[in-house]
Amino acid sequence: NAGVTQTPKFRVLKTGQSMTLLCAQDMNHEYMYWYRQDPGMGLRLIHYSVGEGTTAKGEVPDGYNVSRLKKQNFLLGLESAAPSQTSVYFCASYSQIGSPLHFGNGTRLTVT
Amino acid sequence: GQQVMQIPQYQHVQEGEDFTTYCNSSTTLSNIQWYKQRPGGHPVFLIQLVKSGEVKKQKRLTFQFGEAKKNSSLHITATQTTDVGTYFCAGQFSGNTPLVFGKGTRLSVIA
Repeated sequence: NAGVTQTPKFRVLKTGQSMTLLCAQDMNHEYMYWYRQDPGMGLRLIHYSVGEGTTAKGEVPDGYNVSRLKKQNFLLGLESAAPSQTSVYFCASYSQIGSPLHFGNGTRLTVT
Repeated sequence: GQQVMQIPQYQHVQEGEDFTTYCNSSTTLSNIQWYKQRPGGHPVFLIQLVKSGEVKKQKRLTFQFGEAKKNSSLHITATQTTDVGTYFCAGQFSGNTPLVFGKGTRLSVIA
């Protein structure tokens, strides 16, 4: 079992460019989350999904879009990257309410 | 929105000293989870507390959930260099809402 896999691990973008971050899990989990982590800010929820075909906004959704076309994948898109989106992005999944979150290794994104 | 406050933000201790981090919510939590993130790594689940007044131990780590289910603490006895990292609490406010993370406490241990 690979668990939760995030690609890419690192990326540098110029302002205005777009990109998609991929999160894949092989644990058949229903719930998937995207967080961003900035120094001193903890983990802030961007978007989440409670099942295939569903998405919902989290605490900081602006500038991001998501899709969950397949149960195992949760994609995070940046349509027009801004320097404020420089961060470490973590994907997490879990099977049911109250069970532990399993995190991916993160994607370090720099927007110049 | 609903928040989980965590203090302190940083803690520097000498190896062998104890360490405690605290989480508080103004609203009752259905459960609280604790995670550890090593430098450069990702958060890893430590434990979940569900019952009012619950106390759980993992070796040198003691986790408590308050009677009112609004606060929680993690206490490490006799810290070691392997305890270095950031400790996060994450609270669930109701059955179907996403976990809300505290901002974490970064622990440094001086050998």
